[in-house]
Amino acid sequence: QKEVEQDPGPLSVPEGAIVSLNCTYSNSAFQYFMWYRQYSRKGPELLMYTYSSGNKEDGRFTAQVDKSSKYISLFIRDSQPSDSATYLCAMTFNQGGKLIFGQGTELSVKP
Amino acid sequence: KAGVTQTPRYLIKTRGQQVTLSCSPISGHRSVSWYQQTPGQGLQFLFEYFSETQRNKGNFPGRFSGRQFSNSRSEMNVSTLELGDSALYLCASSLNLAADTQYFGPGTRLTVL
Repeated sequence: QKEVEQDPGPLSVPEGAIVSLNCTYSNSAFQYFMWYRQYSRKGPELLMYTYSSGNKEDGRFTAQVDKSSKYISLFIRDSQPSDSATYLCAMTFNQGGKLIFGQGTELSVKP
Repeated sequence: KAGVTQTPRYLIKTRGQQVTLSCSPISGHRSVSWYQQTPGQGLQFLFEYFSETQRNKGNFPGRFSGRQFSNSRSEMNVSTLELGDSALYLCASSLNLAADTQYFGPGTRLTVL
């Protein structure tokens, strides 16, 4: 069993929809949680960074961490075709250092 | 400020050969990490360097090695290439070991025939 599980999709939604992306993990020692976005032929780009449990909002993006359930989520409001990419969750024990990634969810937002 | 650069962007090798990939971090960044990305295994951590010292290592065989130079530039080497080494190799830089943000380069696409 992988340390971090993420539904690979693909996920297809119409423009303007609310998108929910999720990851579950097994190691309760993870403290820092991230979401990366990766466009085709590009490296991952950090979207959201959260420490421990709670919510964090940045524009159309909201990240949630529930450590008691070992579950993290990324919500995208008013999704746009430019949001079409692969979304990767990642987590780590200490600030910085080795990141453990989920498999990535491929998202397509149709105009 | 220029981002993380990786060279070459694409590489084709045959089994048994060796390969060296290069990474130049963002100016001022002292920590460099390497990751392998494949469709089957996703993104997996290879190793991390800081101040020319390997600080952390993933679960890869000894054929995978790396180093960091005094200017923070880093190289990784894969010897005796296998078909399964075909992957996108990503380099990420951060300000220091405790930095909260790792910035990724575009990667080097390695194909082993």
